[in-house]
Amino acid sequence: EIVLTQSPGTLSLSPGERGTLSCRASQSVTSNYLAWYQQKPGQAPRLLIYGASSRATGIPDRFSGSGSGTDFTLTITRLEPEDFAVYYCQQYGSSPYTFGQGTKLEIK
Amino acid sequence: EVQLVESGGGLVKPGGSLRLSCAASGFAFSTYSMNWVRQAPGKGLEWVSSISSSSSYIYYADSVKGRFTISRDNAKNSLYLQMNSLRAEDTAVYYCGSKAAIDYWGQGTLVTVSS
Repeated sequence: EIVLTQSPGTLSLSPGERGTLSCRASQSVTSNYLAWYQQKPGQAPRLLIYGASSRATGIPDRFSGSGSGTDFTLTITRLEPEDFAVYYCQQYGSSPYTFGQGTKLEIK
Repeated sequence: EVQLVESGGGLVKPGGSLRLSCAASGFAFSTYSMNWVRQAPGKGLEWVSSISSSSSYIYYADSVKGRFTISRDNAKNSLYLQMNSLRAEDTAVYYCGSKAAIDYWGQGTLVTVSS
């Protein structure tokens, strides 16, 4: 089983700042099948990034994904008030398709 | 408009069974893999199970293997999760979602396992 470890657990930033979230895998993610999701309280998650770096439909270009192998990053440039939420990474390259434990992005 | 609507959640005693359903519309359901993902109260996301478009490939998390069964009916655009031998730790909101990188999610259905 691939274990995904997200860091930091909580990230406190101000609107307009840049946010960098990390997802580290315990072994290489097959074909870089790594996704990022955003979840707000009381809502279902929303797909942001798939294939490590491809933005999902309708996702603003301030969200970008990078990385390969075992180290992946979600970058949010110029944080907007609506970006404060919990973010999860997920690998879907090999079963079980595990999620990271999440990073909470909170307003400083 | 894509819609995924889960149903079948509720309160069940430990050791009991439930069958969740997910009705899909607005996309070519039969051509995509589907998933169940759950979220315990106040916790993170946990992938539960996936099924390929033709049901040829089925995968489960170790935590539910042998107790849960995923299935689909492409003629009815529906996904199912049969949950047996339920435990308190299965208490969660259960979401269905489409494709490997889950681009569409339902609103979730709450399963509570308690005596």
